[in-house]
Amino acid sequence: NAGVTQTPKFQVLKTGQSMTLQCAQDMNHEYMSWYRQDPGMGLRLIHYSVGAGITDQGEVPNGYNVSRSTTEDFPLRLLSAAPSQTSVYFCASSYSAAPGHEAFFGQGTRLTVV
Amino acid sequence: ILNVEQSPQSLHVQEGDSTNFTCSFPSSNFYALHWYRWETAKSPEALFVMTLNGDEKKKGRISATLNTKEGYSYLYIKGSQPEDSATYLCASLTSYDKVIFGPGTSLSVIP
Repeated sequence: NAGVTQTPKFQVLKTGQSMTLQCAQDMNHEYMSWYRQDPGMGLRLIHYSVGAGITDQGEVPNGYNVSRSTTEDFPLRLLSAAPSQTSVYFCASSYSAAPGHEAFFGQGTRLTVV
Repeated sequence: ILNVEQSPQSLHVQEGDSTNFTCSFPSSNFYALHWYRWETAKSPEALFVMTLNGDEKKKGRISATLNTKEGYSYLYIKGSQPEDSATYLCASLTSYDKVIFGPGTSLSVIP
């Protein structure tokens, strides 16, 4: 059982480039989310989805797009990378958005924008 | 409190010591409080999911309590071991789809 799989693990981008961070889960979870983790700060929610075809913004959505065409996949797109987007990105999934369900996290993607 | 706060920021204890950390969260619109353990170079793993005022959860030497009326949760580790070294995160759910993480408490257990 792979759980939550993120690719790539590391990425270096030039300012202005675009890219997609991939996230897939094989647990049939309804709820998926993307976080960024910066030094001295907690995980901050970028975007989330409560099911296929449904997405919404989190705390820090600017500069990122998401889509959820299938239950399994929840890619995060950086439209025009900026140095401020240098961070570690985590994808997570839960059985549902109901409060009693823990989140399962991917291994993270370390992104550097130069 | 509008954000989730954790204290202390970091902690160094000797092997065998017991320790505890605090998570403070908004007491209004409370849905749930999660605790996660995050080891270096790994991803966060859930320890506890707490939803009711007065909840007490235990897993081995680690336990947690919850006070939703005053907006705090305590995490206790009894007889700390080097393998307990990690960052401990708490996350407050203020609605069914909004999660706010605290900055974490970094624990180092010295053998």
